[in-house]
Amino acid sequence: QVQLVQSGPEVKKPGASVKVSCKTSGYTFTDYGISWVRQAPGQGLEWLAWISVYNGNTRYAQMFQDRVIMTTDTTTTTAYMELRSLRSDDTAVYFCARDARDTAVAGGPDYWGQGTRVIVSS
Amino acid sequence: QPVLTQPTSLSASPGASARITCTLRSGINVGTYRIYWYQQKPGSLPRYLLRYKSDSDNQQGSGVPSRFSGSKDASTNAALLVISGLQSEDEADYYCAIWYSNTWVFGGGTNLIVL
Repeated sequence: QVQLVQSGPEVKKPGASVKVSCKTSGYTFTDYGISWVRQAPGQGLEWLAWISVYNGNTRYAQMFQDRVIMTTDTTTTTAYMELRSLRSDDTAVYFCARDARDTAVAGGPDYWGQGTRVIVSS
Repeated sequence: QPVLTQPTSLSASPGASARITCTLRSGINVGTYRIYWYQQKPGSLPRYLLRYKSDSDNQQGSGVPSRFSGSKDASTNAALLVISGLQSEDEADYYCAIWYSNTWVFGGGTNLIVL
């Protein structure tokens, strides 16, 4: 079965960076992409970025394009998202989700990781 | 004006049907887009329910009951998630989403109360 298992909670100071991992299994990693979505406390879902594991293409929400770095490791079928220059309003649960491998292909975030809580506090 | 607008909350009775709307901003034609729907219960990860563009272009999520269905109302430029035969376990937040301008956009979410 398809599974995405994320790394554990993080506490960071403002200005620092956080790197979240997303270990996948149960499907062919290189046939899909990965989206990253976050949810601030009591708020809705907010998309950050997408990467195609298939060809490395990326797309970003405008407000994150200068602060998010996504990578994938096909040997371990793991995706990573690093968010830099953290602020207090980056406090949220961060989710990875399996997504289509190409933006022109039908399909969207379907299987999700359990979420990683990131707290940014001085 | 947000790209996608959902009602904040909705109440319905067990056994009845609930219709959750997702209205696209003026100038963004609902007929053009695949609309994705997600369910999220408190403290849990989002669950993919279905994707709907038309009766010939749609997909049910894995294991999602057929009482969850999608449709569109061109007259109001809205997508709808219809949940028939409501059960207490359907009480949750529901989000719509579209791939718009090379980004994923989510609606603000609708809290469905079953009482």
